[in-house]
Amino acid sequence: SQQGEEDPQALSIQEGENATMNCSYKTSINNLQWYRQNSGRGLVHLILIRSNEREKHSGRLRVTLDTSKKSSSLLITASRAADTASYFCALRNTGFQKLVFGTGTRLLVSP
Amino acid sequence: DTGVSQDPRHKITKRGQNVTFRCDPISEHNRLYWYRQTLGQGPEFLTYFQNEAQLEKSRLLSDRFSAERPKGSFSTLEIQRTEQGDSAMYLCASSFPPSTANTGELFFGEGSRLTVL
Repeated sequence: SQQGEEDPQALSIQEGENATMNCSYKTSINNLQWYRQNSGRGLVHLILIRSNEREKHSGRLRVTLDTSKKSSSLLITASRAADTASYFCALRNTGFQKLVFGTGTRLLVSP
Repeated sequence: DTGVSQDPRHKITKRGQNVTFRCDPISEHNRLYWYRQTLGQGPEFLTYFQNEAQLEKSRLLSDRFSAERPKGSFSTLEIQRTEQGDSAMYLCASSFPPSTANTGELFFGEGSRLTVL
């Protein structure tokens, strides 16, 4: 399967704590992207990491990629209640074709 | 441009009826994607277009589903003889074609929620 598998499926933390989500996959990729989805809404692109990159930062987001282990992680630092959402990794294969989404991590940040 | 728009946002229909969803992408984008999402799951790829050409269609898509993008701008997704299992959120997204110079990130609409009774 080209789909990414995310872990954990659900995560509950307090405001101010860090949240880490992981994505594992099986195929060769060109890039890996992370998206956020608020309940009942469309998805919003957060950050992208290319296969030749190991780490990227954007604001409170840090994403890592280990192509040897075929895994990526998304870290949200100093979480806020507004970060409550579902987070999905998405894989772009080496043929630049469709983007395949993972199963998602549902994050709940309590005030 | 205000982003990707989808219409209708909600549709309730009876089993056996046909439904059609419309997607207006960001005007500069020549790629358009359709995904389906059920509760608690990630978006599932259905099909995508580059301009007016439909380049890939998921094997999960039965013959009851058809998508068009006649002039390379807006797209429609039609479901014929709906079944209760078709109940889902149908998401449309657009992008520039991905390349070594372009990440091809997707811009999503708010989705069209279908309920089949």
